[in-house]
Amino acid sequence: DAKTTQPPSMDCAEGRAANLPCNHSTISGNEYVYWYRQIHSQGPQYIIHGLKNNETNEMASLIITEDRKSSTLILPHATLRDTAVYYCIVRGRGGADGLTFGKGTHLIIQP
Amino acid sequence: DSGVTQTPKHLITATGQRVTLRCSPRSGDLSVYWYQQSLDQGLQFLIQYYNGEERAKGNILERFSAQQFPDLHSELNLSSLELGDSALYFCASSEDRGPAYNEQFFGPGTRLTVL
Repeated sequence: DAKTTQPPSMDCAEGRAANLPCNHSTISGNEYVYWYRQIHSQGPQYIIHGLKNNETNEMASLIITEDRKSSTLILPHATLRDTAVYYCIVRGRGGADGLTFGKGTHLIIQP
Repeated sequence: DSGVTQTPKHLITATGQRVTLRCSPRSGDLSVYWYQQSLDQGLQFLIQYYNGEERAKGNILERFSAQQFPDLHSELNLSSLELGDSALYFCASSEDRGPAYNEQFFGPGTRLTVL
């Protein structure tokens, strides 16, 4: 699976959009980009995933650049409950194996 | 609530002992994954089972083993426990219907403390 790079921490004001970047410059054509988050020692929570098109669900939007070497997770109206560690993960082999978690981005929502 | 359940929530035991952690996947999910989260190693994939068969192995120690039963629940067995095995152990499940449908849903975890 391709390696990902994320900033270790970010701040965002409550009510504003939180934009979390991820670099995955060695991603190959059949690898998906997945995002998960972990709120203080709870089980990680699936957020969204995509291959090459932008995706949106009730939690977030995922923007993948045309060359697929980077992506941005957008939380449109961040709340205090969005404070968590966010993990960007690239999955290959059909995505049927375990997830490789890096250190992620610790997003802190400020009141 | 992800639909994945794990028992027990907390477990305190002594070095050298053996424990069993239990996981019930979401209804309909055939794949079960086990992960370990410790302060120094972060979240690490241990092992995956699909419909009763082992499918993938990660950084699982030889002292650890797992199995998935016909009703699809899974157990992770940890033996000859050491202080360093103290960690959060998470179970996750997925439908595993293909590369576009492999999101994993995690349980609340079991916190293991080895004294």
